[in-house]
Amino acid sequence: AQSVSQHNHHVILSEAASLELGCNYSYGGTVNLFWYVQYPGQHLQLLLKYFSGDPLVKGIKGFEAEFIKSKFSFNLRKPSVQWSDTAEYFCAVNDSTDSSYKLIFGSGTRLLVRP
Amino acid sequence: NAGVTQTPKFQVLKTGQSMTLQCAQDMNHEYMSWYRQDPGMGLRLIHYSVGAGITDQGEVPNGYNVSRSTTEDFPLRLLSAAPSQTSVYFCASSYGQGARETQYFGPGTRLLVL
Repeated sequence: AQSVSQHNHHVILSEAASLELGCNYSYGGTVNLFWYVQYPGQHLQLLLKYFSGDPLVKGIKGFEAEFIKSKFSFNLRKPSVQWSDTAEYFCAVNDSTDSSYKLIFGSGTRLLVRP
Repeated sequence: NAGVTQTPKFQVLKTGQSMTLQCAQDMNHEYMSWYRQDPGMGLRLIHYSVGAGITDQGEVPNGYNVSRSTTEDFPLRLLSAAPSQTSVYFCASSYGQGARETQYFGPGTRLLVL
């Protein structure tokens, strides 16, 4: 069965620090990978997604993620965080042949950015 | 467009009570789904629908019923609430069924069962 691990449950950074959130998945087939973000009091929204091609994908608000197939990883990065990046971040994966709603989510990482 | 809307935002129930969580979308999406989010766990799929009149079970369907009489609405019913159903519930929709489709989520309903 597919699974997604996010090892950092809580991360605290100061503004302008660099961010890297880890995501590892367990699945032997071809997958699609997603990062969702949930700002305080808001709904989940898509940050970025990877299907194929260039393993470095860029998303909204300056975020990017790199797919490393050999490591089954899809880490999220941002060179310089802002206070407004305080949120919970979820990595998700699905089988490329499966349905859109059959997403497997990680447990999430809560990011607090101090001004 | 309002996107995906959910009501109520917060609800407290006593064990054994029933209630319906409402979900609506105005994007004419065929595919809708319900997830629950528990501390330390990712979102888990409860039920989903591929169109009006068609629903199916997800990963954790026990204790929940759904129906889809219209494209817009996808309510989730708790038949007899239990403390284990204390959670945050998210409704989502997508235009297509393909694995690459983006899911659009509602703001969530926080449910506490005493």
